[in-house]
Amino acid sequence: SAVISQKPSRDICQRGTSLTIQCQVDSQVTMMFWYRQQPGQSLTLIATANQGSEATYESGFVIDKFPISRPNLTFSTLTVSNMSPEDSSIYLCSVELWNIQYFGAGTRLSVL
Amino acid sequence: QKEVEQNSGPLSVPEGAIASLNCTYSDRGSQSFFWYRQYSGKSPELIMSIYSNGDKEDGRFTAQLNKASQYVSLLIRDSQPSDSATYLCAVNAGDVGGADGLTFGKGTHLIIQP
Repeated sequence: SAVISQKPSRDICQRGTSLTIQCQVDSQVTMMFWYRQQPGQSLTLIATANQGSEATYESGFVIDKFPISRPNLTFSTLTVSNMSPEDSSIYLCSVELWNIQYFGAGTRLSVL
Repeated sequence: QKEVEQNSGPLSVPEGAIASLNCTYSDRGSQSFFWYRQYSGKSPELIMSIYSNGDKEDGRFTAQLNKASQYVSLLIRDSQPSDSATYLCAVNAGDVGGADGLTFGKGTHLIIQP
């Protein structure tokens, strides 16, 4: 498996601001993924981040709102931009090892 | 549109009994299937993965896959109160060993009654 560290674990933000979430993994991985879990809902894939290339976004998610960086094989960031209360959610990063996806502890975001 | 359907429950099972969780998926080309367990306020943790038709057993857990029916199930034998959680069915449409994101069902909330 993999040890995944995600920061911050939670935050409360004001409408219109941006938050950058960091994801660090203890081994080199090709693929990292970002998911959103809205209150009482299941996980929805936001984007796939492959080191050295642009992130691939799922339908309904755009780069201007959720810019992603993937500077190396152990690290990625997701920024939630120009936040609104509808962005209140848990954001999880995930890494793929041997066809299994492992999840970080998540970032619980509340937007006021 | 890839879809994964689960009964949201709650599913209530007496301690020691067998819990049966079901999942159907829409993308016939799906290759990899997973069951995750998620405790309240925690991130998902992998319980089982299955890639071929038939049964796969791991301790008290058995995953069953029927690609013709587009159906995946998870059986939990000798259910324990600690099994009480939400169980998420997840499907990867890519090739086994590929690197696609997962499509999750909404999850089944399982309650094991002592």
